[in-house]
Amino acid sequence: DSGVTQTPKHLITATGQRVTLRCSPRSGDLSVYWYQQSLDQGLQFLIQYYNGEERAKGNILERFSAQQFPDLHSELNLSSLELGDSALYFCASSVASRGRISEQFFGPGTRLTVL
Amino acid sequence: DAKTTQPTSMDCAEGRAANLPCNHSTISGNEYVYWYRQIHSQGPQYIIHGLKNNETNEMASLIITEDRKSSTLILPHATLRDTAVYYCIVRPPDNNAGNMLTFGGGTRLMVKP
Repeated sequence: DSGVTQTPKHLITATGQRVTLRCSPRSGDLSVYWYQQSLDQGLQFLIQYYNGEERAKGNILERFSAQQFPDLHSELNLSSLELGDSALYFCASSVASRGRISEQFFGPGTRLTVL
Repeated sequence: DAKTTQPTSMDCAEGRAANLPCNHSTISGNEYVYWYRQIHSQGPQYIIHGLKNNETNEMASLIITEDRKSSTLILPHATLRDTAVYYCIVRPPDNNAGNMLTFGGGTRLMVKP
């Protein structure tokens, strides 16, 4: 158990719909990262938040957005869903200490299926 | 971030050492070598990291060549539960907010009885 929790575990929805994925980081971790893993693209970084602020963006579509709340949990919002959005979505957290090395701890993921 | 090259797949007999190579010939001076693994669609799991010295922990050993252009992850006594995709990643130290991970294709290790 990494200490990172994600809900829901599975999500099945239809094209055009909107869903919200939730992540609770490990206690004390200020940085939250979202990754997408699809069969054809592998594990790809989407976006990072640090203490409530967006810090880095990767290959995140405009239809996707995220936020980190004052209690440090994070939500990833996916809208106008397409079949190709079907994937595993992982959240990770880290302590993030400048100039040092911090491990990222990954949650169990949310499996999204768009029908 | 520097790119890494790993074999697509490897087999290992149960109880034997698994040696997973990684090439990172364009690594920069301040970049660390990280290893993560992913067991069957679970979240990736941190294994070990190093800068230039060899490192060992309860899971594995990491051997980095003197020129730092390649490294080898060693699982000393592989078990069936070590069957997973192993990712070699190079990245600099955290900025003031941390640092994302760039995953390549990894090596699919199959441990066989």
